[in-house]
Amino acid sequence: GQQLNQSPQSMFIQEGEDVSMNCTSSSIFNTWLWYKQDPGEGPVLLIALYKAGELTSNGRLTAQFGITRKDSFLNISASIPSDVGIYFCAGSPMKTSYDKVIFGPGTSLSVIP
Amino acid sequence: EAQVTQNPRYLITVTGKKLTVTCSQNMNHEYMSWYRQDPGLGLRQIYYSMNVEVTDKGDVPEGYKVSRKEKRNFPLILESPSPNQTSLYFCASSWDREETQYFGPGTRLLVL
Repeated sequence: GQQLNQSPQSMFIQEGEDVSMNCTSSSIFNTWLWYKQDPGEGPVLLIALYKAGELTSNGRLTAQFGITRKDSFLNISASIPSDVGIYFCAGSPMKTSYDKVIFGPGTSLSVIP
Repeated sequence: EAQVTQNPRYLITVTGKKLTVTCSQNMNHEYMSWYRQDPGLGLRQIYYSMNVEVTDKGDVPEGYKVSRKEKRNFPLILESPSPNQTSLYFCASSWDREETQYFGPGTRLLVL
């Protein structure tokens, strides 16, 4: 079936540094989503992308829908301790829909104060 | 407070003993779904429901059943649990298929 790959798998950064992570797929998606999961809680949607090439920001977070529709990127600027968590990308072959959504394995982020 | 609740939060059971994990949302959302989360695999969709009495299979439906008799509730049923169903389960809901999904706190299930 369809699979998403995320890299890096985990990262340790110093507070204040910028973070970049990406998500790739072997097939085309029409919706890309980025979630953050804190320990012991469910994922929370950070950014949703619906159009190839789209660049969307949410505070210090910026995500892009890759032109090929097979990848997406998430950047976090000036990281702070509360950015710690697992970041999941998710994609759907449907247009703006959660039907058949596929999640990546996640990128674990640790921020060193 | 708008929320998605799941019960129980933790459950240990034995192979073959039927169990139900409840999910309830108080936001009048039409769309609800169930996911399981396993290390290294992320979240995988089990079933989803677009409205009352409308359900469909997600990525990994085998061994699970769901029902949607009321808009607010979407229980997940394991008729004969097996050890490979040991996992962390999340319920989620949204206004429709295009709006932000809200996730519940998760149910950690161990099948011995």
